[in-house]
Amino acid sequence: EAGVAQSPRYKIIEKRQSVAFWCNPISGHATLYWYQQILGQGPKLLIQFQNNGVVDDSQLPKDRFSAERLKGVDSTLKIQPAKLEDSAVYLCASSILQGGQETQYFGPGTRLLVL
Amino acid sequence: GDSVTQMEGPVTLSEEAFLTINCTYTATGYPSLFWYVQYPGEGLQLLLKATKADDKGSNKGFEATYRKETTSFHLEKGSVQVSDSAVYFCARRQAGTALIFGKGTTLSVSS
Repeated sequence: EAGVAQSPRYKIIEKRQSVAFWCNPISGHATLYWYQQILGQGPKLLIQFQNNGVVDDSQLPKDRFSAERLKGVDSTLKIQPAKLEDSAVYLCASSILQGGQETQYFGPGTRLLVL
Repeated sequence: GDSVTQMEGPVTLSEEAFLTINCTYTATGYPSLFWYVQYPGEGLQLLLKATKADDKGSNKGFEATYRKETTSFHLEKGSVQVSDSAVYFCARRQAGTALIFGKGTTLSVSS
């Protein structure tokens, strides 16, 4: 089956510009996550969706970050305006509950560099 | 707060050497534990997992045992290969289903 798709793979912008990332989860996966991975650190959850509803966005910097999953499938993550410290890899993951267990599958990530 | 702590890298080994990457966690209760691997240029892949105390996860020759007494989930492999060179992340569930990751440990295996 096809994996989690993300685009673009790389993006370079200047600070104060806006940027958007797109994620297409594995077909049938109701849960979708966005993680931020800063160089040298592990991924950190930004937001979690269940279908088109937000489950957890407690770590999302809402003054500049927004995310949506309008039809419960694809999702977009936006940063407006970007800061230097937003330079990171943005990972999308999706999951499905099977046999009482949930496994997350990760996309290749979008590498963002803010200059 | 809840966290996952991994040993600092990089870990450099010769082919066929024994590998241990230490991982400890803090949590209330007994969360599911995971090891993910990130090969160069690729996304995170689940390597193995354990969902309750004393469970042993295993895959591709790697093993990790859920030790509640020591709150640890150390990753081991008896004989590493060059193809095992990657970054390894230990993770645990936070409340709900999202994951908390350690900082990652880079493994470099030379022939």
